[in-house]
Amino acid sequence: KAGVTQTPRYLIKTRGQQVTLSCSPISGHRSVSWYQQTPGQGLQFLFEYFSETQRNKGNFPGRFSGRQFSNSRSEMNVSTLELGDSALYLCASNGQGYSDTQYFGPGTRLTVL
Amino acid sequence: QKEVEQNSGPLSVPEGAIASLNCTYSDRGSQSFFWYRQYSGKSPELIMSIYSNGDKEDGRFTAQLNKASQYVSLLIRDSQPSDSATYLCAVNRGFKTIFGAGTRLFVKA
Repeated sequence: KAGVTQTPRYLIKTRGQQVTLSCSPISGHRSVSWYQQTPGQGLQFLFEYFSETQRNKGNFPGRFSGRQFSNSRSEMNVSTLELGDSALYLCASNGQGYSDTQYFGPGTRLTVL
Repeated sequence: QKEVEQNSGPLSVPEGAIASLNCTYSDRGSQSFFWYRQYSGKSPELIMSIYSNGDKEDGRFTAQLNKASQYVSLLIRDSQPSDSATYLCAVNRGFKTIFGAGTRLFVKA
């Protein structure tokens, strides 16, 4: 079974731009969660999607948004980028999203200049 | 108070020793508990999951859960240099998994 894939792996943007990151979960997994990881804040929960519905979200500003498609692939978007958005963005999938193990993708390293 | 707290370390142990990693959580309604290992530059990978009070052993790893004390721990026996990594404690309630900041472990050869 193929693992979680994320594209692109690396991204460099400038302040004020927007960015879209993509995540394809493990085949058969319907839940996708997104996390932001920085050295200072650790791994922080952004949002979770299941069957195209956002079921939970973390404490991030509205500039961070996401969606999930009918094939369970998910995208997250960050608008009006700020320097502080530089981070590793991780996507994780699991079968049901309820008390299940999270399987992580390799991440997208975003650098905002 | 953070929802999931871990000592950031670094925790340094000699090869062959027992490494003990601890985690506390604030939400009494938490249902599932996980330990992930993350090597530098890599994404987290699951080591152990535990759902009920007590101990759970898997090879050199033992997870311990005490819901009354809101405490989770991970013991690594016969520590190896390859165990050197950051260990993340994760707590799940419903559709949200919260991670601790991680404990850096160094195993000296």
